[in-house]
Amino acid sequence: DAGVIQSPRHEVTEMGQEVTLRCKPISGHDYLFWYRQTMMRGLELLIYFNNNVPIDDSGMPEDRFSAKMPNASFSTLKIQPSEPRDSAVYFCASSFSAGPQETQYFGPGTRLLVL
Amino acid sequence: AQKITQTQPGMFVQEKEAVTLDCTYDTSDPSYGLFWYKQPSSGEMIFLIYQGSYDQQNATEGRYSLNFQKARKSANLVISASQLGDSAMYFCAMRGARDDKIIFGKGTRLHILP
Repeated sequence: DAGVIQSPRHEVTEMGQEVTLRCKPISGHDYLFWYRQTMMRGLELLIYFNNNVPIDDSGMPEDRFSAKMPNASFSTLKIQPSEPRDSAVYFCASSFSAGPQETQYFGPGTRLLVL
Repeated sequence: AQKITQTQPGMFVQEKEAVTLDCTYDTSDPSYGLFWYKQPSSGEMIFLIYQGSYDQQNATEGRYSLNFQKARKSANLVISASQLGDSAMYFCAMRGARDDKIIFGKGTRLHILP
């Protein structure tokens, strides 16, 4: 079975441009999480969804960031306009449920560089 | 509030030796799960091992085992017979029964020396 799929794997863009990151969770998983990882701040949870509904977006840094999950097999994280400080690795992860025993499985990440 | 602490920012270990990576946690949840992830230099986050708070035995997965001491709130990862490919960042994480989210420690960077 395929794991979590993310695209693109690498993105280089200029400040001010719109960036869209994509994620396909593992089939059957009800929870989807978006994380950002930087050297300075480590791994940060940005937002997560349950059954396509956003549950907690308190980690979204500012209004420039938005996330959607139009269906169970697809989610996007959009940054508009992008800034150099948004440069990071963005991970998508999914899990089957919210029980303490449920493992989150991560995608390969999207490495974003904003010039 | 839940918290994960990894006190070793970096470790150097000789190949073939056993390695113990420390992790302590804090939670008021009576039921919780503990996880370890490996992040090699290529960047992906790889799930290694899981321990439930009510599990009677320590979890094992191949060369990985989890030294779970509930009273001390510690969940150390033990890697037996370390290999060069074990060089990576390792994250301890926890998920409580009352929380959808997994919280992560800051990680320990492990270097295996030939």
